[in-house]
Amino acid sequence: EIVLTQSPGTLSLSPGERATLSCRASQSVWSTDLAWYQQKPGQAPRLLMFAASSRATGIPDRFSGSGSGTDFTLTISRLEPEDFAVYYCQQYGSALSITFGQGTRLEIK
Amino acid sequence: QVQLQESGPGLVKPSETLSLTCSVSGYSISSGYYWGWIRQPPGKRLEWIGSVFHSGSTYYNPSLRSRVTISVDTSKNQFSLRLSSVTAADTALYFCARGGRGPHDYWGQGSLVTVSS
Repeated sequence: EIVLTQSPGTLSLSPGERATLSCRASQSVWSTDLAWYQQKPGQAPRLLMFAASSRATGIPDRFSGSGSGTDFTLTISRLEPEDFAVYYCQQYGSALSITFGQGTRLEIK
Repeated sequence: QVQLQESGPGLVKPSETLSLTCSVSGYSISSGYYWGWIRQPPGKRLEWIGSVFHSGSTYYNPSLRSRVTISVDTSKNQFSLRLSSVTAADTALYFCARGGRGPHDYWGQGSLVTVSS
């Protein structure tokens, strides 16, 4: 099973600042098989990015993704109040199992 | 617009079988895609349970495989989850979603299932 480790666990920033979230895999992941989700309290996760760097439908361009191999990054260029949430990375390419990271909580400073 | 809605009992006794159904609207399951179940224990990370293709082929999380069955009913545009021999560790918010051999792009709102006597 591919283990995904996200850092930091909690990120405290102010609106307007830049957020950089990391996802590290225990073994190499194809870029085509890496996604990011946003989850707010009481809601289902929302797909933000797929194939590491492709934005899902309706996702604003302040969200961007990058990375390859074992290291992937989600960047939010200028934080809006609605961006404060928990973010999960996911790999869906393993023939054995789909896995999620433990999440990064983005909170208002 | 693709919409998914989970339904099923909110309380299941230990050792019994958890059963949930996901009703899909706005898209025909027969048209393609994998359809899956994901759960989230309170305060914990998301855990993929398994996925089913419209043809009925499935693949499951190895850690749950011995207890999980996911099936599809294209005539009703639904797919279902059965998890046997449940314990308190199976208490979670259960989501259905479109996806499996790909990202999960549409999700249900989630169904809280508590395992307790």
